[in-house]
Amino acid sequence: DAKTTQPNSMESNEEEPVHLPCNHSTISGTDYIHWYRQLPSQGPEYVIHGLTSNVNNRMASLAIAEDRKSSTLILHRATLRDAAVYYCILIQGAQKLVFGQGTRLTINP
Amino acid sequence: EAQVTQNPRYLITVTGKKLTVTCSQNMNHEYMSWYRQDPGLGLRQIYYSMNVEVTDKGDVPEGYKVSRKEKRNFPLILESPSPNQTSLYFCASSSETSGRETQYFGPGTRLLVL
Repeated sequence: DAKTTQPNSMESNEEEPVHLPCNHSTISGTDYIHWYRQLPSQGPEYVIHGLTSNVNNRMASLAIAEDRKSSTLILHRATLRDAAVYYCILIQGAQKLVFGQGTRLTINP
Repeated sequence: EAQVTQNPRYLITVTGKKLTVTCSQNMNHEYMSWYRQDPGLGLRQIYYSMNVEVTDKGDVPEGYKVSRKEKRNFPLILESPSPNQTSLYFCASSSETSGRETQYFGPGTRLLVL
């Protein structure tokens, strides 16, 4: 099964951009790359997803490498409310979700 | 409001006493799934269902059962709970199965098996 690899933790300052990396070197051609985040004591919530092209929404941007073996979630101006565990997930055929370990993001005021 | 609900939110039980955790979604989603979350292990998929009466095993199905008799409900059944099933459980749903659509997660059920 394809897996994702993320750094265990990252730290940034408020109002600065944050780049969260994810490696998925064994990704298949039809696997979608999803990013979710989990705030303390809550279920994961959707952030963004893509297949091949870079994607933008009101929460973040997703940059996908040309070979699709890695991706980067970009938070353009981090706030304290963005402190969470961020998961990079591959969604394979028949909806099998493969979660990485997640990156714990700390935002300093 | 679109949501996935789980009940109970917290449960303490004893080894061997059958229990059911309910999951319900109000978005008419076809796909539903269950996960458990343990420290250091992240989220692992237990079972998933692509539609009514269609279920399949995830990565850690041992000790669990599921059923999908109605589209909106996907209960998780522990026939004989054991302490190693102490965990935080999440239910999720989405509208289709290709990966193009968002997964919606419930608030979680924290289970302690003594």
